[in-house]
Amino acid sequence: AQSVTQLGSHVSVSEGALVLLRCNYSSSVPPYLFWYVQYPNQGLQLLLKYTSAATLVKGINGFEAEFKKSETSFHLTKPSAHMSDAAEYFCAVSSLLGYSTLTFGKGTMLLVSP
Amino acid sequence: ETGVTQSPTHLIKTRGQQVTLRCSSQSGHNTVSWYQQALGQGPQFIFQYYREEENGRGNFPPRFSGLQFPNYSSELNVNALELDDSALYLCASSFSTGGNEKLFFGSGTQLSVL
Repeated sequence: AQSVTQLGSHVSVSEGALVLLRCNYSSSVPPYLFWYVQYPNQGLQLLLKYTSAATLVKGINGFEAEFKKSETSFHLTKPSAHMSDAAEYFCAVSSLLGYSTLTFGKGTMLLVSP
Repeated sequence: ETGVTQSPTHLIKTRGQQVTLRCSSQSGHNTVSWYQQALGQGPQFIFQYYREEENGRGNFPPRFSGLQFPNYSSELNVNALELDDSALYLCASSFSTGGNEKLFFGSGTQLSVL
């Protein structure tokens, strides 16, 4: 079975500081990995995805993530946080059922203070 | 704006009742997936429909059922509602090409079971 663990249910940063959201996965097959963002009262928006090409993936809004097979990790980073980045972030892995069926982590709420 | 709309946005039901949630996908999308997101949790895969046939199911009982129609709309039906069914229900549509498709999520229906 596939699973995702997100370390830290809440992460607080100051505006302009580095953002680091941690994700570790478990998969019996080479995974596809995703980061999604969810703003209040909205659905999920794809930030970036890893599909076995380059291990450093760049996404929207200045976010990027690095796939590290040896550490089974796919951490999300952004060099400088903006107030508008405050939201909940979900890491997900594609399931054995198919590319579009995802197993999500429990999410990390990013809080950005001025 | 993802082009995926869900109705209603909020719904209150009592235990034992039945409920139908609706989703309108992007035109041309042949695949729709449904997810349940309980408070404080990541979304959990319920099932997926491809060209009007169920072709994948998560760990949900048969009282969760669905339909997909040729006009790119779909339904999630839940019978004999239980208190634990209270959650945000998300639908996601995509055009399945056998890999690398992108999911487009709706904003969800918030279901409360009393």
